Amino acid sequence: GAGVSQSPRYKVAKRGQDVALRCDPISGHVSLFWYQQALGQGPEFLTYFQNEAQLDKSGLPSDRFFAERPEGSVSTLKIQRTQQEDSAVYLCASTEGSTDTQYFGPGTRLTVL
Amino acid sequence: SQQGEEDPQALSIQEGENATMNCSYKTSINNLQWYRQNSGRGLVHLILIRSNEREKHSGRLRVTLDTSKKSSSLLITASRAADTASYFCATDELSGANNLFFGTGTRLTVIP
Repeated sequence: GAGVSQSPRYKVAKRGQDVALRCDPISGHVSLFWYQQALGQGPEFLTYFQNEAQLDKSGLPSDRFFAERPEGSVSTLKIQRTQQEDSAVYLCASTEGSTDTQYFGPGTRLTVL
Repeated sequence: SQQGEEDPQALSIQEGENATMNCSYKTSINNLQWYRQNSGRGLVHLILIRSNEREKHSGRLRVTLDTSKKSSSLLITASRAADTASYFCATDELSGANNLFFGTGTRLTVIP
């Protein structure tokens, strides 16, 4: 079956612009995670959903970052007033349960100029 | 913040040789997973080892876990050029956090 998909794959934004990144998890997967991966680093946790409920947003770096999953499937990560330090690859992952293997999408590479 | 560290940061070997990567972490865990990432791509799950397991095999992969030392190793036997990638360990903390904590990664280059 289809894996996790993310769009767009690449996004270039001017500093100050708002961006929205989309994640389509594997069908039926209850849990969805967003991670941020800076160049040369491992992914770092941003936020976690179980169905439509956002159970953990402790990793969001500022109030400019907002995530939602209104119907418990597709999720959107929104970054307002982008800054250069937001440049990174944003990865989405989903699992059937909360502690199972996480399946990752290809990521969205965001470059803020 | 990163939970763990991989060692070495970079490793270059000839095709056919074995590659060993190590991972250390900081807190008690439920399980530890290894992922591979090709340049510009997402993470591919390789293997999961639970905290009550000491060793696990999958094809050419062998993973060990020593919870007393908070460390794990990934061995890739008979390496191939296609194994060239970055390898990350990730832990699922016992404290109840559902997210994974990743290490800094080992960049493996297999020379044909």
